[in-house]
Amino acid sequence: NAGVTQTPKFQVLKTGQSMTLQCAQDMNHEYMSWYRQDPGMGLRLIHYSVGAGITDQGEVPNGYNVSRSTTEDFPLRLLSAAPSQTSVYFCASSPLGGGTEAFFGQGTRLTVV
Amino acid sequence: GQQVMQIPQYQHVQEGEDFTTYCNSSTTLSNIQWYKQRPGGHPVFLIQLVKSGEVKKQKRLTFQFGEAKKNSSLHITATQTTDVGTYFCAGNSNSGYALNFGKGTSLLVTP
Repeated sequence: NAGVTQTPKFQVLKTGQSMTLQCAQDMNHEYMSWYRQDPGMGLRLIHYSVGAGITDQGEVPNGYNVSRSTTEDFPLRLLSAAPSQTSVYFCASSPLGGGTEAFFGQGTRLTVV
Repeated sequence: GQQVMQIPQYQHVQEGEDFTTYCNSSTTLSNIQWYKQRPGGHPVFLIQLVKSGEVKKQKRLTFQFGEAKKNSSLHITATQTTDVGTYFCAGNSNSGYALNFGKGTSLLVTP
């Protein structure tokens, strides 16, 4: 199994550009989430989904959009990138919403200049 | 909202010394999970605690969940250089699906 796959691994954007970070899992997990990791800040939850068609905001949702049209995919969209969004982004999935092991992707390192 | 706090932020030990990181939540948790992230890597699940007062061991690692289900600890006995990394606790509140992480404790072990 591939597990959780994130693409791209690295990306440089100019301020104001838009892009989509892709996340796919092949484990038929209901719960998927996006985190950003910044030095000294740990992992902060951006958005999460408990199933296809259902999404909710986490701790730091501003500047990001998500959708969940299939069980497998949970893309994260940056509509107008800002330098403050420079970070490492992790996608995670788990079988159920809450109380089960989360499987993480390899991460996407995003730099906004 | 639920906040998960973790201390210390950093810990530098000599190989063979013990290490402990502590996690505290502002709300009662339905469960607590612990993850390890190696430098440059992604978080990897270590263990989950569910019951009040629960203690679990994995070789040199001992995990505890507080009686009130609001705090937890990870203790490593006789650290090795392979223990280097950042250790995160993460919890779900009784009413939520979201998994909220602490800021992590970065462990450096020098031989």
